[in-house]
Amino acid sequence: SQQGEEDPQALSIQEGENATMNCSYKTSINNLQWYRQNSGRGLVHLILIRSNEREKHSGRLRVTLDTSKKSSSLLITASRAADTASYFCATVTVGGATNKLIFGTGTLLAVQP
Amino acid sequence: DTGVSQNPRHKITKRGQNVTFRCDPISEHNRLYWYRQTLGQGPEFLTYFQNEAQLEKSRLLSDRFSAERPKGSFSTLEIQRTEQGDSAMYLCASSLPSRSNEKLFFGSGTQLSVL
Repeated sequence: SQQGEEDPQALSIQEGENATMNCSYKTSINNLQWYRQNSGRGLVHLILIRSNEREKHSGRLRVTLDTSKKSSSLLITASRAADTASYFCATVTVGGATNKLIFGTGTLLAVQP
Repeated sequence: DTGVSQNPRHKITKRGQNVTFRCDPISEHNRLYWYRQTLGQGPEFLTYFQNEAQLEKSRLLSDRFSAERPKGSFSTLEIQRTEQGDSAMYLCASSLPSRSNEKLFFGSGTQLSVL
């Protein structure tokens, strides 16, 4: 089963613009992670934010977390055509025995050159 | 290449046949996960191993599915009597969790098509 939803489902922007993707989840979490997936390939980890953190940066990525609203956002600044991919949030649930990640439904980002 | 390796990359089979996929995790990683992903969806958890022990199985993993990880190294996922609904990308991931490193490393997946 999926943890929650992401919106938008699809996003098309021009190179140089910023892209914002939102993720909502259902349970209390230990951490929330964002992954990227190029078409037909495996997922690549981008960034992790813990439940006691509110914002985190990594290069052109900025992630926020609002545990009261059970939501997170991923901002990609100054987007490039190479950023075209699907982006997934994933959560690790509090009390889970296995640290498994539960993924959202994903946002398909298209960056037009 | 020291990443997670999955074989085969693609598998086409006829309904009713058995298939087996292999995953070779990063060598020092003791945790191994299998996920299934259908088009336009996020990966769905199937099962988890810590070393050779299978510690969790999703309800998605019907009796036709079995996974093993002998000696805590590579893992295999077998699907018996395949059905068209089994068509999906099967992803393997591994991790060596610590407080500072809880991310998963994914393989490129095995794309299964059941005709």
